[in-house]
Amino acid sequence: GIQVEQSPPDLILQEGANSTLRCNFSDSVNNLQWFHQNPWGQLINLFYIPSGTKQNGRLSATTVATERYSLLYISSSQTTDSGVYFCAVLGGYQKVTFGTGTKLQVIP
Amino acid sequence: DSGVTQTPKHLITATGQRVTLRCSPRSGDLSVYWYQQSLDQGLQFLIQYYNGEERAKGNILERFSAQQFPDLHSELNLSSLELGDSALYFCASGTGGNTEAFFGQGTRLTVV
Repeated sequence: GIQVEQSPPDLILQEGANSTLRCNFSDSVNNLQWFHQNPWGQLINLFYIPSGTKQNGRLSATTVATERYSLLYISSSQTTDSGVYFCAVLGGYQKVTFGTGTKLQVIP
Repeated sequence: DSGVTQTPKHLITATGQRVTLRCSPRSGDLSVYWYQQSLDQGLQFLIQYYNGEERAKGNILERFSAQQFPDLHSELNLSSLELGDSALYFCASGTGGNTEAFFGQGTRLTVV
């Protein structure tokens, strides 16, 4: 099946700093999403981005499908950005594979 | 609020027991997905239903089963529970195909 790797696994940022999270996948995908899991466990949709670039406030994402990676940019980080960020890909046979996540801690 | 409703939010049960988790998809969504998130396994895809029919199967144990009813809500049945089944179980819904999925708040299952 498709392998999905995320980096870095852990990240500590000072409030106000910027960061880039990466998601690499091993095969062609039909769909890619980024999620934020907050400290209460809730999974929040950030982006549906099988290709191209999207922006939503301080967050933006870029997927280069031909090179099999996606990037999530967080600018001017806030403590509420803390949590785990997952990318998930939909490959053949409708199978969804999540990455292992990047755990982000933003400190005041 | 994603529009996907899962009940119950928390469940504590003993080993060997059987439980049923319920999911109501967003209005208009035909597809329901179930996932398990445990500490050592991360987020694992279990099964997908589309308009009442099973569409894709992931790492779902034989002790687990699911179905989607005519009103499109879905239930995940977990039987002969073991300590290792303790996890957060998520349901997601979408329109089907390669579209965006939206997640419920999850059911936290603790097996004691």
